[in-house]
Amino acid sequence: DGGITQSPKYLFRKEGQNVTLSCEQNLNHDAMYWYRQDPGQGLRLIYYSQIVNDFQKGDIAEGYSVSREKKESFPLTVTSAQKNPTAFYLCASTRTLNQPQHFGDGTRLSIL
Amino acid sequence: AQSVTQPDIHITVSEGASLELRCNYSYGATPYLFWYVQSPGQGLQLLLKYFSGDTLVQGIKGFEAEFKRSQSSFNLRKPSVHWSDAAEYFCAVGDTNFGNEKLTFGTGTRLTIIP
Repeated sequence: DGGITQSPKYLFRKEGQNVTLSCEQNLNHDAMYWYRQDPGQGLRLIYYSQIVNDFQKGDIAEGYSVSREKKESFPLTVTSAQKNPTAFYLCASTRTLNQPQHFGDGTRLSIL
Repeated sequence: AQSVTQPDIHITVSEGASLELRCNYSYGATPYLFWYVQSPGQGLQLLLKYFSGDTLVQGIKGFEAEFKRSQSSFNLRKPSVHWSDAAEYFCAVGDTNFGNEKLTFGTGTRLTIIP
């Protein structure tokens, strides 16, 4: 079955450590997105990518970095510069233009 | 900039009762509108979408929504809820200048079903 796979489901970060969240899709979608979800705040866009080797900052990109070396993969790195990284992170993809976004099951990041 | 308001943070309804979740948006042109549902610890699942045409759209799981331009609203309805409908519901608006490249989400409405 086609879909979006996020791993790991739970992740713990130590102070000063960078961590990378994985997002892989086999839907042949061009565009991919990373959102952060906090209680009572809905989803906020971190980064998005419309094509390989290109990506744009969303509304809350500070302290995060991404890469898009393959169409299927869009990993998100939470750097030590992100002072409040505890949240639920969702990856999404779409065929682009007029198509709904499909979501993975998320990664919950916590601080040790 | 576009925005979405879901005025109800939490709604409780009895099983079998009707449901309406409110969504108001702010956008200069005709927007793309979506409703998503999220179960605890899971990703979001698309319930329905409005792009153009008939203002009453049907979705999965017996949900429907009506686009009302004059009220800038896109309320979600279901005539009879089931216990399995308990979840969090998000309304989202897409920028038609850029297709579906960027969505703005509301803060969500949590639905509780009582027997």
